[in-house]
Amino acid sequence: EVQLVESGGGVVRPGESLRLSCAASGFIFENYGLCWVRQVPGKGLEWVSGIYWNGDTVGYAESVKGRFTISRDNAKKSLYLQMNSLRAEDTALYHCAKSRIVGGSNDGFDIWGQGTLITVSS
Amino acid sequence: SYELTQPPSVSVSPGQTASITCSGDKLGDKYVSWYQQKPGQSPVLFIYRDIERPSGIPARFSGSNSGNTATLTIRGTQAVDEADYYCQAWDRSTVVFGGGTKLTVL
Repeated sequence: EVQLVESGGGVVRPGESLRLSCAASGFIFENYGLCWVRQVPGKGLEWVSGIYWNGDTVGYAESVKGRFTISRDNAKKSLYLQMNSLRAEDTALYHCAKSRIVGGSNDGFDIWGQGTLITVSS
Repeated sequence: SYELTQPPSVSVSPGQTASITCSGDKLGDKYVSWYQQKPGQSPVLFIYRDIERPSGIPARFSGSNSGNTATLTIRGTQAVDEADYYCQAWDRSTVVFGGGTKLTVL
């Protein structure tokens, strides 16, 4: 079965750090781009960051640029999001998602994890 | 930054046709994907590359994209189609989602 499973969420204070992980199975991980998408409960989807199949090309939303770092370990079939200097507005459910096509750009995302919840509160 | 605009809500009667729009500057020059999300669930890809349906997505769902507007059309809308729908496109190397449209089947 093709699936993505996120972990690493929790409650942190403003300014603290957290590292999210996304474990993949059921597909050739190293062939596909991946991304993180967050959603405040009851609100819309917001793309956070993406990484191409080989890890050489990454992108970030302006809201997280300079604070978050995306990475991947193809040997471990895992995607990561290092989140530093967390703010209250980073509170959301964080999903990882797989690009539909080999490579990973200019297309949709066909597999989504269930998400891991981050709460940033003092 | 690039923006995609969707109506917050659309209502439709069962069996009728629902149209959900997504607007953005020269959106027709980009590929648009559409996602369905039900409460408590993760988004599901329903349309990619403007008009293509993944396997398992009912044929009553279709997409189009031209000019500044992409449209998701649901023909013969069923109660099970009640959900939030999001459009998505790429702008340079970043991904943009529309704000989402809540489809209500009355």
